Amino acid sequence: DVKVTQSSRYLVKRTGEKVFLECVQDMDHENMFWYRQDPGLGLRLIYFSYDVKMKEKGDIPEGYSVSREKKERFSLILESASTNQTSMYLCASSSLLTGGYGYTFGSGTRLTVV
Amino acid sequence: DAKTTQPTSMDCAEGRAANLPCNHSTISGNEYVYWYRQIHSQGPQYIIHGLKNNETNEMASLIITEDRKSSTLILPHATLRDTAVYYCIVRPNSGGYQKVTFGTGTKLQVIP
Repeated sequence: DVKVTQSSRYLVKRTGEKVFLECVQDMDHENMFWYRQDPGLGLRLIYFSYDVKMKEKGDIPEGYSVSREKKERFSLILESASTNQTSMYLCASSSLLTGGYGYTFGSGTRLTVV
Repeated sequence: DAKTTQPTSMDCAEGRAANLPCNHSTISGNEYVYWYRQIHSQGPQYIIHGLKNNETNEMASLIITEDRKSSTLILPHATLRDTAVYYCIVRPNSGGYQKVTFGTGTKLQVIP
């Protein structure tokens, strides 16, 4: 069964820590995305990548960076975590050539910054 | 990307059809309508998509108006497990990189 895997389901970090959220997909998809989800605000796009080493800012990139060194892996980095980055983070991937079934999402990482 | 508008919330009695509307008045000719749903604490899952013809699969039906400015997702016999947030988005089916913005969706509550 094809899937998108996020390394942690729950994560608790301290303010000021550098945080890495990892996402791996096994579908050979070109596009990968990071969203955050907060109550009442829906899914908001942080960054996306359409190729290895390529990245584009989404709607709310401030305070985040990303890394895509391999096609299957897309990392979200919080350089200095803050309490307002407490949220649910969702990774997704999609195919460039066959939009088909659209996005495949991971199960999410619930990050709490204390 | 075309913007979509959905009602914030809806209720539906168990066993009845749930009809979830979506407006996408600025949709482009090459953009498909996709529907996803997100059950609590999980990532969104694909339901169905279409361009201009009505579509049906084992989960739902999608009705797209002739002018393509709106669509309706139909869950023919809603169950309690269909309680979720439903997202309607529009995007090209292929070609180029695809930045898509999900809105807040419609929170469907199926009532016993």
